[in-house]
Amino acid sequence: GNSVTQMEGPVTLSEEAFLTINCTYTATGYPSLFWYVQYPGEGLQLLLKATKADDKGSNKGFEATYRKETTSFHLEKGSVQVSDSAVYFCALSDQGGFKTIFGAGTRLFVKA
Amino acid sequence: DGGITQSPKYLFRKEGQNVTLSCEQNLNHDAMYWYRQDPGQGLRLIYYSQIVNDFQKGDIAEGYSVSREKKESFPLTVTSAQKNPTAFYLCASIVAGGSNQPQHFGDGTRLSIL
Repeated sequence: GNSVTQMEGPVTLSEEAFLTINCTYTATGYPSLFWYVQYPGEGLQLLLKATKADDKGSNKGFEATYRKETTSFHLEKGSVQVSDSAVYFCALSDQGGFKTIFGAGTRLFVKA
Repeated sequence: DGGITQSPKYLFRKEGQNVTLSCEQNLNHDAMYWYRQDPGQGLRLIYYSQIVNDFQKGDIAEGYSVSREKKESFPLTVTSAQKNPTAFYLCASIVAGGSNQPQHFGDGTRLSIL
């Protein structure tokens, strides 16, 4: 079945450091891919998405490119801030379906 | 503003008691979902519903029940059969034809055992 694997956390960075959170997926067909962010005590919010191969999703300085050849959707940000501290979830949506499959989440801590 | 409202934010359950978590959405979304999140872990699907009066079990449905009598509402009951109910519960919804659309989430209910 379809699945999502993302790097284990926690990831601890200093402010203004470069961030990469790796995400790979296994899927049949052409799923849409998402990154969600969860701040403490809250639900998940969509951070960015990509719906087809080579698409780049971007938002708030975060970027991820849909790489079909490597089945990856790595999240990157050039300069993190303390306010980026949260849990990040990579996810895929089954083509034509209503189900979303989430990775286990990666916790990011950013130190001032 | 449209969104998903979960209530209560915190809930305590006594032994042998059933409790119901509320989830209401005003996004006119067709499909709704319940997830369980344990500390440091990802989301596990409990139940989902694509249309009114129909719902399907997810990966961890045992000890839970749901109803979908209205499009806007998808309450989750945690029954006494669920022996380890302490977790963070998240409700989500998605528009019809949603493979390219993200799920929208409420702010969650934290359930604890007294």
